[in-house]
Amino acid sequence: DQQVKQNSPSLSVQEGRISILNCDYTNSMFDYFLWYKKYPAEGPTFLISISSIKDKNEDGRFTVFLNKSAKHLSLHIVPSQPGDSAVYFCAASTGANSKLTFGKGITLSVRP
Amino acid sequence: NAGVMQNPRHLVRRRGQEARLRCSPMKGHSHVYWYRQLPEEGLKFMVYLQKENIIDESGMPKERFSAEFPKEGPSILRIQQVVRGDSAAYFCASSPPRATWGETQYFGPGTRLLVL
Repeated sequence: DQQVKQNSPSLSVQEGRISILNCDYTNSMFDYFLWYKKYPAEGPTFLISISSIKDKNEDGRFTVFLNKSAKHLSLHIVPSQPGDSAVYFCAASTGANSKLTFGKGITLSVRP
Repeated sequence: NAGVMQNPRHLVRRRGQEARLRCSPMKGHSHVYWYRQLPEEGLKFMVYLQKENIIDESGMPKERFSAEFPKEGPSILRIQQVVRGDSAAYFCASSPPRATWGETQYFGPGTRLLVL
């Protein structure tokens, strides 16, 4: 039973354009959502998070949107840069200091 | 402020041997989590520990796997009598003491275990 789903395995965008990475979840108890970026042979690096009391959080080129009624969140990267090419994981948790449930990840390729 | 440290980075074991994976959390962090990533999969939660306590081990296989976080020293994930299916990347994450809302977990570089 996959509670966090990233249905698209890959995405390719042109440098300078917007990248939109999507994530759906099924567990209505999730109240904290995170995006991590991962390069091969490295650990996940935290990018941005959002709590369920918000619908948007922005940090530089990265913005996360949360639609609780649809149980959907998305990560927007604008403008996209070649260095953004990596695997992006969506994760969710219930409450403070609890385990993360991850999606399978999406591979983003940004073409120069 | 050093990040989460894991060693070894790569570990090769033959079937039936024991594997010990170590994790030192970030300074000031008292919560440690272990996750496993199989090829082409996302990270799967295994266990959550605080100093000298296991808080949640709902993701740990019932046999051969154990974890500890002693008062002094790193957290240890121990796999006894390894099998080929244990081959995976094992990641440790840490977070600060309990906050009022969700707390970000910071990950180490992982240990890649290969069982021959």
